[in-house]
Amino acid sequence: DVKVTQSSRYLVKRTGEKVFLECVQDMDHENMFWYRQDPGLGLRLIYFSYDVKMKEKGDIPEGYSVSREKKERFSLILESASTNQTSMYLCASNLRGRQQETQYFGPGTRLLVL
Amino acid sequence: GDSVTQMEGPVTLSEEAFLTINCTYTATGYPSLFWYVQYPGEGLQLLLKATKADDKGSNKGFEATYRKETTSFHLEKGSVQVSDSAVYFCALNSQGGSEKLVFGKGTKLTVNP
Repeated sequence: DVKVTQSSRYLVKRTGEKVFLECVQDMDHENMFWYRQDPGLGLRLIYFSYDVKMKEKGDIPEGYSVSREKKERFSLILESASTNQTSMYLCASNLRGRQQETQYFGPGTRLLVL
Repeated sequence: GDSVTQMEGPVTLSEEAFLTINCTYTATGYPSLFWYVQYPGEGLQLLLKATKADDKGSNKGFEATYRKETTSFHLEKGSVQVSDSAVYFCALNSQGGSEKLVFGKGTKLTVNP
């Protein structure tokens, strides 16, 4: 079974803090994704990585950065957290190169920024 | 650009009722189409998919048929259970090299006993 794990289920941070969200997958997938999920807006892609050290901006990259130093790990960084970044963050992964390939999701991290 | 439109929720049904959640899409070429489900407190998981026109995806009693002529991929189940209460997302992956999914906004389903 594919497993995607996220470092925390719940996080509470203060405005201005630097926040790291970690995601690890165990299936040797090339592609990894970070989404945020908000009521009424569905899932929106923040960043996408298709290989180690490679990244591509998604639909809403502002205020976020990412790091992919190892194939299995993809980190999302909030450089200076703000209250409008309170959300559910979902990580996903899949194999590269096939349009029909299923994305596998982690359980999500619910972040509250005070 | 590519987009997915699915029916607004929430949807509330009684157990054993028939379920339809509508999904239509706009995309160039021949996208692959997916339904994902999110149970309370969990991440998303694939429910079913279809990769070409007239394909039918099915799983756990749910079905959806890829209709190119109407650009639709409606989700159906003949008899829902309380355990089907979840949020359902329709999504597509276009041709042309992009490996990113485009999601609809989700439809929350509640099934009452």
